[in-house]
Amino acid sequence: EADIYQTPRYLVIGTGKKITLECSQTMGHDKMYWYQQDPGMELHLIHYSYGVNSTEKGDLSSESTVSRIRTEHFPLTLESARPSHTSQYLCASSSQGFGNTIYFGEGSWLTVV
Amino acid sequence: DAKTTQPPSMDCAEGRAANLPCNHSTISGNEYVYWYRQIHSQGPQYIIHGLKNNETNEMASLIITEDRKSSTLILPHATLRDTAVYYCIVRGSTSGTYKYIFGTGTRLKVLA
Repeated sequence: EADIYQTPRYLVIGTGKKITLECSQTMGHDKMYWYQQDPGMELHLIHYSYGVNSTEKGDLSSESTVSRIRTEHFPLTLESARPSHTSQYLCASSSQGFGNTIYFGEGSWLTVV
Repeated sequence: DAKTTQPPSMDCAEGRAANLPCNHSTISGNEYVYWYRQIHSQGPQYIIHGLKNNETNEMASLIITEDRKSSTLILPHATLRDTAVYYCIVRGSTSGTYKYIFGTGTRLKVLA
C-alpha cells in the first residue's frame, strides 16, 4: 500500500484567495507529480519534480506553482484562485527506474466560488 | 512514449472474467506496459505492469502479445467493486522525463 498523503481532501474557497495543497510521501521517492483532473475527464500532468530543488512544468499549462524543498514534500500553490481552477488535483510519486510504478494520493477536490 | 488505444467502455457480468484490451503498436523495446484503475473520486491505483512476459498478481493477469503491440488485462472473477476506469500506459526511457501519460481509459461496468 502506497504512503502518499494529500490535504485537504475537499476545499471550497472564494475567488482571489491563496491556497496551498499539501502532498507528502514516506517512501523516499525522488520523483513527484501533480495531475489535474476534471470529473469524467483525463488526467493531465501539470507539474513534476526529479528531486529536491527540481521542478518542471507538465503537459497542461497551469497557473499553479510548486516547490520541492524536501524529498518527501511537494506542495502546490495557487496565489489567487479563480472558478476555472475548480478541479481535482492528484499528487503522485515514483522511484528511479523505468520499471517502477507511480503511486497516487487520494486527491484534493478544490471548488472556487 | 508510445500512444495507447483502449475501448471507451465495457460491461462484464459479476463473477465472470473481464478482459480489457489495449493497443500500443508503436511501443519500443524498453517500454513497459502498465495498468492502473481509478474508482470514482479516488486517485488511480496500480494494478500490474510488464515488459515482455505475461504477469500475474493477486489482482489481475497481464497478457502481452509476442510482438508487444497489444496487451490484455484480465480480472479473473469480476466483482461490483471492480467497476472503474482502467488505464493502459506505456512508459519507458524514450522521453527521458519519466512522465506517465494517462489517456481516456476504458470504463468497465460490472453488472450484478
